[in-house]
Amino acid sequence: TQLLEQSPQFLSIQEGENLTVYCNSSSVFSSLQWYRQEPGEGPVLLVTVVTGGEVKKLKRLTFQFGDARKDSSLHITAAQPGDTGLYLCAGAGSNDYKLSFGAGTTVTVRA
Amino acid sequence: DVKVTQSSRYLVKRTGEKVFLECVQDMDHENMFWYRQDPGLGLRLIYFSYDVKMKEKGDIPEGYSVSREKKERFSLILESASTNQTSMYLCASSLYRRGQYGNTIYFGEGSWLTVV
Repeated sequence: TQLLEQSPQFLSIQEGENLTVYCNSSSVFSSLQWYRQEPGEGPVLLVTVVTGGEVKKLKRLTFQFGDARKDSSLHITAAQPGDTGLYLCAGAGSNDYKLSFGAGTTVTVRA
Repeated sequence: DVKVTQSSRYLVKRTGEKVFLECVQDMDHENMFWYRQDPGLGLRLIYFSYDVKMKEKGDIPEGYSVSREKKERFSLILESASTNQTSMYLCASSLYRRGQYGNTIYFGEGSWLTVV
């Protein structure tokens, strides 16, 4: 199983501030996904990135896949209380049905 | 939209009982997965299946079995439930086939199992 490390583990910010969550590994991934999970619910897919150096934007969320396809970041601009949740990154190796998950970053946005 | 449906959201079972958790997906996905999620331990893969009647052990298969008789349905079975199996169980599915570039899995809402 390939190891994915997320940082920070916890993040608490005021509404309107920006935040960045990191996902790092020593392994190369063919694709990387970001999910958001609210308490008591299953993870919901936010984005899949597949190309090294790729940047994807989803409204106020910006996702970047590292050039070497070993790391990724999620940046939220002007965070809102609705962004509160557990953010998970997950990576897939080549020809691998399974994903490796990071431990998650718990984000709290205070109104 | 992909829909993964887990039959029970909340269950309370007694130690030693046999427990069935059912999962159905409606997108004709080849692969299905069962995870459990515990505070501080993250998501851990129990079993997965890449085809009907096929199954492979994940990271923590002990105490669990699975059944996939139809493509759309994947069942998790706890033969004799124990208190350390109290957890949130998540079913997921994906379309990925070997040789494809990119693999995305989609989760159900989760089943909270309490074993007393």
